Amino acid sequence: GDSVTQMEGPVTLSEEAFLTINCTYTATGYPSLFWYVQYPGEGLQLLLKATKADDKGSNKGFEATYRKETTSFHLEKGSVQVSDSAVYFCALRRGSGGSNYKLTFGKGTLLTVNP
Amino acid sequence: DAGVIQSPRHEVTEMGQEVTLRCKPISGHDYLFWYRQTMMRGLELLIYFNNNVPIDDSGMPEDRFSAKMPNASFSTLKIQPSEPRDSAVYFCASRLQGGEQFFGPGTRLTVL
Repeated sequence: GDSVTQMEGPVTLSEEAFLTINCTYTATGYPSLFWYVQYPGEGLQLLLKATKADDKGSNKGFEATYRKETTSFHLEKGSVQVSDSAVYFCALRRGSGGSNYKLTFGKGTLLTVNP
Repeated sequence: DAGVIQSPRHEVTEMGQEVTLRCKPISGHDYLFWYRQTMMRGLELLIYFNNNVPIDDSGMPEDRFSAKMPNASFSTLKIQPSEPRDSAVYFCASRLQGGEQFFGPGTRLTVL
């Protein structure tokens, strides 16, 4: 079945450091890929997405590139801020077929950014 | 516009009691999802509805769990009887066909 594996946290960085959170996936067909962010006490929010190979999703300084050859969708940010402290989830949704409604999530990675 | 609304935000109950969680999806959305989040298992899809009809409940852990959607603007997730292992954060999400999912703020359930 479909699965998403993301790097285990927690990740602790100083402000302005470079961030990478690794994500790899297993799925049939050509899924769409997502990063969601969950701030403390809140629900998940869509951060960025990519729907086909080589697409780059970007938002709020975060980027991720859909790499079909390595089945990866790593999240990066060049300079993190304290306000980026949150849990980040990688997810996929199948492109077609009976399960194209369903998001499959990774376990989440807790990021803490210190001033 | 209001987002997905869930109530209560926090629920503490004793083992054996009935628990009802409520969700109001975003107006006009035709899909509604219930998720459970725990440290051990992460985020799990429990059930989803399309146009108020349950489509896939394969994620519902056992018969103690039930979900209903009597109309397009309201859904409930009920646990009867509740057990300590049901303690988790329960999220409701909704979306339009072809659109992205929007999550509610969650209900933190503690079963003592």
